[in-house]
Formats: sequence, C-alpha cells, structure tokens
Amino acid sequence: EADIYQTPRYLVIGTGKKITLECSQTMGHDKMYWYQQDPGMELHLIHYSYGVNSTEKGDLSSESTVSRIRTEHFPLTLESARPSHTSQYLCASTPGHGDYNEQFFGPGTRLTVL
Amino acid sequence: GQNIDQPTEMTATEGAIVQINCTYQTSGFNGLFWYQQHAGEAPTFLSYNVLDGLEEKGRFSSFLSRSKGYSYLLLKELQMKDSASYLCAVWSGNYQLIWGAGTKLIIKP
Repeated sequence: EADIYQTPRYLVIGTGKKITLECSQTMGHDKMYWYQQDPGMELHLIHYSYGVNSTEKGDLSSESTVSRIRTEHFPLTLESARPSHTSQYLCASTPGHGDYNEQFFGPGTRLTVL
Repeated sequence: GQNIDQPTEMTATEGAIVQINCTYQTSGFNGLFWYQQHAGEAPTFLSYNVLDGLEEKGRFSSFLSRSKGYSYLLLKELQMKDSASYLCAVWSGNYQLIWGAGTKLIIKP
C-alpha cells in the first residue's frame, strides 16, 4: 500500500495569491513528480526530482517552483495564481532502484482560482 | 513527436469482456503501464509490460507488441465498479513517462 499524502485536498483562492501545495511520502522513495490534469485529459508533468536537492522542470513548469530539501517532502508553489491554474494537481513517487518503476499517486489537490 | 492514442470512450455490459487498445510512438521504450482512474481520484496501477506477450492478473490482462507499438488491456467479467478511465503510459527515452488521455469505460447493467 502506497503512503503518499497531499494537502489541501480542495482549495479555492483569488487571483494573484501565492499558494503552496504539499506532498509527502513515507516510503523513502527517491523520485517524486508533480502532474497537472484537467478532466478527461492526459497528465502533464510540471516538475520532478530524483532526490534531495535535485529538481527538474517538466513540460508545464512555468509560473511554479518546487523544492526537495527532505526525501519525504516535495512542495509545489504557485507564486501568483491565475484562473488558468484551475486544475487537479497530482503528486507521485517511485522507488529509487531501477529507472522505470510504477508511480504511486497521492489523492490530489483540486485547485480553483477565481 | 511522442504520442499515445487511446479511444476516448467505450461502453460495455456488466459481465461481458472489453478490450481497450493503446498505440504509441515514442523516442524510446522502457515499459508500458496501465492505470485505472475513477472520476476525481488519483490513478492506481494495474499492469506493466516490458516484453512482448500477455500478462494476466485476475480479471485483467495486458498485452504488448513492441514491433507494432501496440498494447491492449482486457477486462473480463465486467463489474459496475470497473466504470472508470483507463490510462496507458510509456516510459520513453530520457526517463520521461508519456501519458495517454485515457479511455472512459462506461458499464451498463
């Protein structure tokens, strides 16, 4: 059973606000990912990390930043939220051994920007 | 470019069998995953294929043909709880996991 957590589960905020979406996993996984997914659409990679102090940008990384100070924690920050950021945000992790393992997903954060 | 194609939506009857196809074109291939995603929830892992052939796991089976860039997910003895989206994803080169848009499966009584 995967243990990966995201908070908040739902968030409604106004335009221009700075927000941080939290993601934590207790499995000791080295690799972590952030995805954005609109209803009925594919997952788009925002950022990923291969370990502590490692972060890389995905296809959809503009206007957001991540940090990886601890193995278990991978927060995503939107500096200035816009209505176009309204979406579901999914955090995932994979074990460090091997390069092509399955990804375990958190429950997601549904963000609405007014 | 890299892309994965799946049918947008399929309908099947409870108790029947359904096959969901996935074709892919990627810069490399290091394995193919099938995930199940119920509406509003996160994807959950169903199967993994890296070699050609059929992998069976209970009511679900997944097939891969690397030469054809093709996979399918076979669901037997359909239950109402199988109503969900089924996502195909491929590990391409450069450690990128490429995702399809998913196939929404509707089960009717």
